[in-house]
Amino acid sequence: AQSVTQPDIHITVSEGASLELRCNYSYGATPYLFWYVQSPGQGLQLLLKYFSGDTLVQGIKGFEAEFKRSQSSFNLRKPSVHWSDAAEYFCAVAPPVSGAGSYQLTFGKGTKLSVIP
Amino acid sequence: DTAVSQTPKYLVTQMGNDKSIKCEQNLGHDTMYWYKQDSKKFLKIMFSYNNKELIINETVPNRFSPKSPDKAHLNLHINSLELGDSAVYFCASSQDRARPGEKLFFGSGTQLSVL
Repeated sequence: AQSVTQPDIHITVSEGASLELRCNYSYGATPYLFWYVQSPGQGLQLLLKYFSGDTLVQGIKGFEAEFKRSQSSFNLRKPSVHWSDAAEYFCAVAPPVSGAGSYQLTFGKGTKLSVIP
Repeated sequence: DTAVSQTPKYLVTQMGNDKSIKCEQNLGHDTMYWYKQDSKKFLKIMFSYNNKELIINETVPNRFSPKSPDKAHLNLHINSLELGDSAVYFCASSQDRARPGEKLFFGSGTQLSVL
């Protein structure tokens, strides 16, 4: 069964500092990979996704993620964090083939990001 | 304009009651989903409907029954609520089920507390 691990439950960074959120997955083949952000009281918002091709994926709000097959990782990065980035971040995977004509996401437990002014 | 809206945002009720959570999307999407986020923050899919047809039904107690009157609505009805049902429930939608990795749009969640 596929699984997603986000090793860090809570990360605190200073505003302007760089950020890396870790995500590791377990799956027989390379799945589709996603990062979502959930701000307090808000729904989940897709930051970026990886299907194939270039392993460095650019997303919204200045985020990027790099797929590393050898490490089964899809870490999220941002060079300079803003106070508004404080939120909870979820990594997710989906099977690369929708055998039943549908797909579903498996989410990690999330990493809460706090930003110090 | 809210893309995916679910009501209520908060729901507090006693064990044994029956409650419903409503979800509506105005994006013209064909597929809608219900996810449950438990206390350990895992998001697990419960149901998925495509054009009012049930296409995903994970191992969920039959006390949970989704209802899709039309493709813009997917309501979740829960009978005989139990303490373990306390969680945040997210509704979502996507344009198409047949394209893996299709972008999902999520509602803001309904926090259900069963006392």
